Amino acid sequence: QSALTQPASVSGSPGRSITISCTGGSSDVGTYDLVSWYQQHPGKAPKVIIYDVTRRPSGVSGRFSGSKSGNTAYLTISGLQAEDEGDYYCCSYGGSRGLVLLGGGTKLTVL
Amino acid sequence: EVQLMESGGGSGQPGGSLRLSCAASGFTFFTYTMNWVRQAPGKGLEWISFIGSESGTTTYYAESVKGRFTVSRDNAKNSLYLQMDSLTYEDTGLYYCVRGVMGVAMRFRAFDVWGRGTMVTVFS
Repeated sequence: QSALTQPASVSGSPGRSITISCTGGSSDVGTYDLVSWYQQHPGKAPKVIIYDVTRRPSGVSGRFSGSKSGNTAYLTISGLQAEDEGDYYCCSYGGSRGLVLLGGGTKLTVL
Repeated sequence: EVQLMESGGGSGQPGGSLRLSCAASGFTFFTYTMNWVRQAPGKGLEWISFIGSESGTTTYYAESVKGRFTVSRDNAKNSLYLQMDSLTYEDTGLYYCVRGVMGVAMRFRAFDVWGRGTMVTVFS
């Protein structure tokens, strides 16, 4: 069982938007704005797409955005494209629960 | 170009040992914290170890490997290592060397550079 809870799968049609949730606890996600998101395509290493809840690394599409409310962080992908298919993982500083907490991953299917 | 390249993966028997290496290039290695993250076949990511920058005296481990795995670094060689002892079947997976970004008070912020991974298979 993963430290952070994500839905196992989400799907959406090209051009639409989807949101992936990531639920932690009051001592980690709820306290620190230190949530990051990673995209992983099959057979490839993960790549950071969001850090510090809302920030995008240079070169990451503006279609990816992050937010947080209470103990839950969210990744929103707008204008879905076929290339967005893959697995998405959330990660957070763990506070009293440890240095690094990871979610179990969410498989995104673009219909 | 910033790069991390893992090596040393292969097959091991339960109870045996393996040593993974990671060669870093394109950045000032000693100033960065480093991590190992693994992924069992068809499964999600699992963070397993952290080592602090510079002297590397600060280390953290996931409960699943604590007491069996040891992370170390050689800044002169721009290299990170993972000594894996007392291997179990559950240690099978792809092991990634990952650069970490830390915030104030050594709070983890993100993994910003990943290697391609090296595969470890434990079987008898």
